[in-house]
Amino acid sequence: QLQLQESGPGLVRPSETLSLTCDVSGDSISTNIYFWGWIRQPPGKGLEWIGIIYYNGNTYYNPSLKSRVAITVDTSKSQFSLRLTSVTAADTAVYYCARRGYFGSGIHGAFDIWGHGALVTVSS
Amino acid sequence: QSVLTQPPSVSAAPGQKVTISCSGSSSNIGNSYVSWYQHLPGTAPKLLIYENDKRPSGIPDRFSGSKSGTSATLGITGLQTGDEADYYCETWDNSLTADLFGGGTKLTVL
Repeated sequence: QLQLQESGPGLVRPSETLSLTCDVSGDSISTNIYFWGWIRQPPGKGLEWIGIIYYNGNTYYNPSLKSRVAITVDTSKSQFSLRLTSVTAADTAVYYCARRGYFGSGIHGAFDIWGHGALVTVSS
Repeated sequence: QSVLTQPPSVSAAPGQKVTISCSGSSSNIGNSYVSWYQHLPGTAPKLLIYENDKRPSGIPDRFSGSKSGTSATLGITGLQTGDEADYYCETWDNSLTADLFGGGTKLTVL
């Protein structure tokens, strides 16, 4: 059974870079029928889509974050990662990694498997 | 402001039915599948509906989804106190080339 697990620092200083990793276990990350994505939820606010990555490295990003975000995939380690630069307090949130269906998956466009989430606080 | 518009809150009594709307445009809902998620505090969001009206295994048929034009609707019948949660619609926007989440709707079961 597929499982996702986020990991990374829980505290990041303002202006620095937030880095999180999502470990994928129970199935292959090198699949052409799924994307792998990051979603966040700031305190008291709704879900915000950050971006997704395909196994070959193709990415799509939230236009409002595009200048600061990078998502990469390491198929040899079965993990994908998020980097968000120049963070401010507004980037404080619970960050989720999730699997997103693509053509052939049977759940096209939907995020069906989620990690438990990782709280990242931006503070000095 | 979210591109996908949901009512901030809805409420109904146990056993009753409620619907949650999600309004978009031709660049998103009008030409893409819609998914719905249930989000309870402290837990990961759960997929309730995918491809507009399909339920993953394990999701009871009390939950239903539909889409018409540039709007989608989540229906929940036989409301239970355990259904109290935030509900989000989600779809792909072809113009933005990005996934979108609605602003979320808080369901209260009175």
